[in-house]
Amino acid sequence: RKEVEQDPGPFNVPEGATVAFNCTYSNSASQSFFWYRQDCRKEPKLLMSVYSSGNEDGRFTAQLNRASQYISLLIRDSKLSDSATYLCVVNEGTYKYIFGTGTRLKVLA
Amino acid sequence: SQTIHQWPATLVQPVGSPLSLECTVEGTSNPNLYWYRQAAGRGLQLLFYSVGIGQISSEVPQNLSASRPQDRQFILSSKKLLLSDSGFYLCAWSGGIAVTQYFGPGTRLTVL
Repeated sequence: RKEVEQDPGPFNVPEGATVAFNCTYSNSASQSFFWYRQDCRKEPKLLMSVYSSGNEDGRFTAQLNRASQYISLLIRDSKLSDSATYLCVVNEGTYKYIFGTGTRLKVLA
Repeated sequence: SQTIHQWPATLVQPVGSPLSLECTVEGTSNPNLYWYRQAAGRGLQLLFYSVGIGQISSEVPQNLSASRPQDRQFILSSKKLLLSDSGFYLCAWSGGIAVTQYFGPGTRLTVL
């Protein structure tokens, strides 16, 4: 089993739709969790950290389920500019960050 | 605010040639620094990390090496490139006890 798994997609959704991605991780001792956004041929950019209590930033909501070992990202009212690859990142302590291979989102006009 | 720079942005090198990629961070002191490689269609692979000047930890055995000659400078090198070294090389930093990483713009390396 991969350490961090994501559905590669692509998820093709119309503008205004709500879309959700999940990411599962294998190490129950993982400590910190993040979602990054990566545009084509660009560096990953931090979208949001994921807290145990869940957190929201505008149209984006992230949640953590430690019991089932997954994190989720919900995007409401999708915009064309949300089209990108979304990377799930798990920190296992010290300097060990495990990256998922990403989920591609395409928002269609 | 903190910024991270990488150069060059793109590089095309023949097999067997040397490599030197540079990363610098501004606006912070004593950052943790990382080198990653992202191959096409694959996740980021950690190559090296550094917690201080001259302190380098290698995650994957390969023909690459890293050095940290100054607090905010991180260099990735190779004496002889292989075809398999092609990829997108990303430098990242994190600060103090915070674990959030921030990435530089990357260097796209093609080895022919």
